[in-house]
Amino acid sequence: GENVEQHPSTLSVQEGDSAVIKCTYSDSASNYFPWYKQELGKRPQLIIDIRSNVGEKKDQRIAVTLNKTAKHFSLHITETQPEDSAVYFCAASISVDSSYKLIFGSGTRLLVRP
Amino acid sequence: DGGITQSPKYLFRKEGQNVTLSCEQNLNHDAMYWYRQDPGQGLRLIYYSQIVNDFQKGDIAEGYSVSREKKESFPLTVTSAQKNPTAFYLCASSISSGAEAFFGQGTRLTVV
Repeated sequence: GENVEQHPSTLSVQEGDSAVIKCTYSDSASNYFPWYKQELGKRPQLIIDIRSNVGEKKDQRIAVTLNKTAKHFSLHITETQPEDSAVYFCAASISVDSSYKLIFGSGTRLLVRP
Repeated sequence: DGGITQSPKYLFRKEGQNVTLSCEQNLNHDAMYWYRQDPGQGLRLIYYSQIVNDFQKGDIAEGYSVSREKKESFPLTVTSAQKNPTAFYLCASSISSGAEAFFGQGTRLTVV
């Protein structure tokens, strides 16, 4: 069935190091891949997204890469800071008839150690 | 912060009772979604609606019902048929299906 797999489930890095979170998707027609950050007790908020006609997108310390052939995409956070600690979710748009629904991965809990 | 409002923030109900969670948006978005979040399990899609008067089941629709009579509103009813209703429920909307989704602040439902 349609699904999005996300790894790792937890990630601990030292402040200043990089963090990488990976996701794979099953629907070859997926064309939109957002990443959300959820701090404790708060709503998920979009941090970066990418569409299928682009292979990489960067916004300051955050970047996302997409490999359509392999059907996987990754979030890269450089120079991590303690305030980056949160749960991160990837998502993919899954085609249903003539529309799309957003399916989320299971999340990665990132801990940045000061 | 997004223009999408869920109410109430916390809700307690007795087992066997139906309960309705409210979701309203003033973003003029066509698409709306309901997700359930359990610890360590991410966001699972319950129902979604591409446009007013239309909605589709998500991955875990059993025991839930929705309506989309107005563009701004997408209420979710948790029925007594839902075996494990205690969870954090998130509503979201997007300008069209499959586009950037904006989330409400969530409703934490506890069934006792």
